[in-house]
Amino acid sequence: KQEVTQIPAALSVPEGENLVLNCSFTDSAIYNLQWFRQDPGKGLTSLLLIQSSQREQTSGRLNASLDKSSGRSTLYIAASQPGDSATYLCAVRGSNFNKFYFGSGTKLNVKP
Amino acid sequence: EPEVTQTPSHQVTQMGQEVILRCVPISNHLYFYWYRQILGQKVEFLVSFYNNEISEKSEIFDDQFSVERPDGSNFTLKIRSTKLEDSAMYFCASSVGASDTQYFGPGTRLTVL
Repeated sequence: KQEVTQIPAALSVPEGENLVLNCSFTDSAIYNLQWFRQDPGKGLTSLLLIQSSQREQTSGRLNASLDKSSGRSTLYIAASQPGDSATYLCAVRGSNFNKFYFGSGTKLNVKP
Repeated sequence: EPEVTQTPSHQVTQMGQEVILRCVPISNHLYFYWYRQILGQKVEFLVSFYNNEISEKSEIFDDQFSVERPDGSNFTLKIRSTKLEDSAMYFCASSVGASDTQYFGPGTRLTVL
């Protein structure tokens, strides 16, 4: 069964810092990987989707990379802002592409 | 921008009662999903639905659960006889295609007493 792990579980940084969130998965036979943001008590907001054939995706200050063979993805956030404070989740779509496996998330706090 | 909506935002029920959670996916999306998140735990996949039938379900999605698309817009999750451990946030999601971005609704918080 696919297991998704996110490190660190929590991260506190001063505003303006560049940071990297990590996601690892045990079964490299994935269809795609999606990064989400979750604000307290709210739903999930999609940030980036990387297909298994892609190495990275970028959106604004966010850059996500995927190394399928090693079972890793990173989410890079440039010039962090207090509004980036949230929990960031990665989710892997399995090779049968109808199941999604989520990590536990990294809770990010960006201090003004 | 189109979004997935869910009702109610919070449902309180007694153990053993039936509940129906409702979702309106984005209108041109063809794939629909339900997930749940027990407080403090991971988001867990429950079921995916395409072409009016279940395409995949998890071990959690046992006989007490069912899904339906009763009309062209709603997608429902029914829990037949709720248990205390069904208390969780339930998220609906939809996507255009199977490999496309999933868009999530705001969730329904289910509390079983």
